[in-house]
Amino acid sequence: DTAVSQTPKYLVTQMGNDKSIKCEQNLGHDTMYWYKQDSKKFLKIMFSYNNKELIINETVPNRFSPKSPDKAHLNLHINSLELGDSAVYFCASSHRVVRDEQFFGPGTRLTVL
Amino acid sequence: GNSVTQMEGPVTLSEEAFLTINCTYTATGYPSLFWYVQYPGEGLQLLLKATKADDKGSNKGFEATYRKETTSFHLEKGSVQVSDSAVYFCALSDRQGGSEKLVFGKGTKLTVNP
Repeated sequence: DTAVSQTPKYLVTQMGNDKSIKCEQNLGHDTMYWYKQDSKKFLKIMFSYNNKELIINETVPNRFSPKSPDKAHLNLHINSLELGDSAVYFCASSHRVVRDEQFFGPGTRLTVL
Repeated sequence: GNSVTQMEGPVTLSEEAFLTINCTYTATGYPSLFWYVQYPGEGLQLLLKATKADDKGSNKGFEATYRKETTSFHLEKGSVQVSDSAVYFCALSDRQGGSEKLVFGKGTKLTVNP
């Protein structure tokens, strides 16, 4: 069974479009995260949710809106896509305390043309 | 804020060579320290961790010791294999207010040749 899954794996779209990436975890974790990995492999946290409540919101344009319908799902919606949004987006989950292991999804490679 | 600095790659080694990837950190308080590994085309996986000074994390032949005096958490392996080729990330836990997050270094790409 896949622990943290993301869909789609690849996403190619035009500038100005709106797109969503879905994430689901079946580990029973309370906390979920979205990370952005740029072309140089630099990984930075974007958002963190605990039991459907937003607890971390880094300096991310408000075109990015996370939504957590329940604690097993954390989706990422992006409006008005820009070229600079091209990256690999990773979802992750953990028990509440971050010092526990974070389990990462396989990533979604977003390409904005 | 808290930060992690790790050696720039890429690192290329022959099979059975000794590996060291340096990692130093800047932090207030006492963060936990981690090494994550990312194999090609996959997400990150926890490799090892240490939660307090002088702790040694180990897994799959890799080791790292939490050195508070030198603010370091260097990753070592005595004999690397081709299957160890991956990108390695050093990270620390950063507590701000009521929440915690992981802060990652920029990653070091390791290629092991047969």
